[in-house]
Amino acid sequence: QKEVEQDPGPLSVPEGVIVSLNCTYSNSAFQYFMWYRQYSRKGPELLMYTYSSGNKEDGRFTAQVDKSSKYISLFIRDSQPSDSATYLCAMTSQGAQKLVFGQGTRLTINP
Amino acid sequence: DTAVSQTPKYLVTQMGNDKSIKCEQNLGHDTMYWYKQDSKKFLKIMFSYNNKELIINETVPNRFSPKSPDKAHLNLHINSLELGDSAVYFCASSRIQNTEAFFGQGTRLTVV
Repeated sequence: QKEVEQDPGPLSVPEGVIVSLNCTYSNSAFQYFMWYRQYSRKGPELLMYTYSSGNKEDGRFTAQVDKSSKYISLFIRDSQPSDSATYLCAMTSQGAQKLVFGQGTRLTINP
Repeated sequence: DTAVSQTPKYLVTQMGNDKSIKCEQNLGHDTMYWYKQDSKKFLKIMFSYNNKELIINETVPNRFSPKSPDKAHLNLHINSLELGDSAVYFCASSRIQNTEAFFGQGTRLTVV
């Protein structure tokens, strides 16, 4: 069993809908949670960073962490074709000095 | 002004050759990493360096040797390249205390 599970998709939705992306994990020591966006042939770009449980909002993006369920989510409101990319969840524990990534979900927003 | 830059962007080479990838960060971070991304987009840690010292070597074959001449640079040398080494290699950096990592654009290595 992988430490971090993420549905690879692909996920294809029409423009304007709310997109929900999710990851589950098994390591209860994970405390820091991130979402990265990766466009084709580019490096991962940090979108959201959350410590412990709770919600964080940044523009059209909301990250949620539920440590009791070992489940994290990224919501994209008013999705745009420019949001089409692979979204990777990543997480780590205090002092670990490495990120553990999910497999990434390939998302396409259709105009 | 690129934060984490790596060269070259593309590398095509024959089996058995030796090659190097260079990485530099101008963020003032203390920790640098090499990650490998396979054809299914799965990103996995290879090495982690903290202030020029190796912290993590994640069961990488010893044909891969990282070198950090200073805390702003982390290079990756690969000996006797194999077909299975074909992948995209990403350099990243972060502060010691923080855990968000910032990634370079990647080096797409193809071994033929």
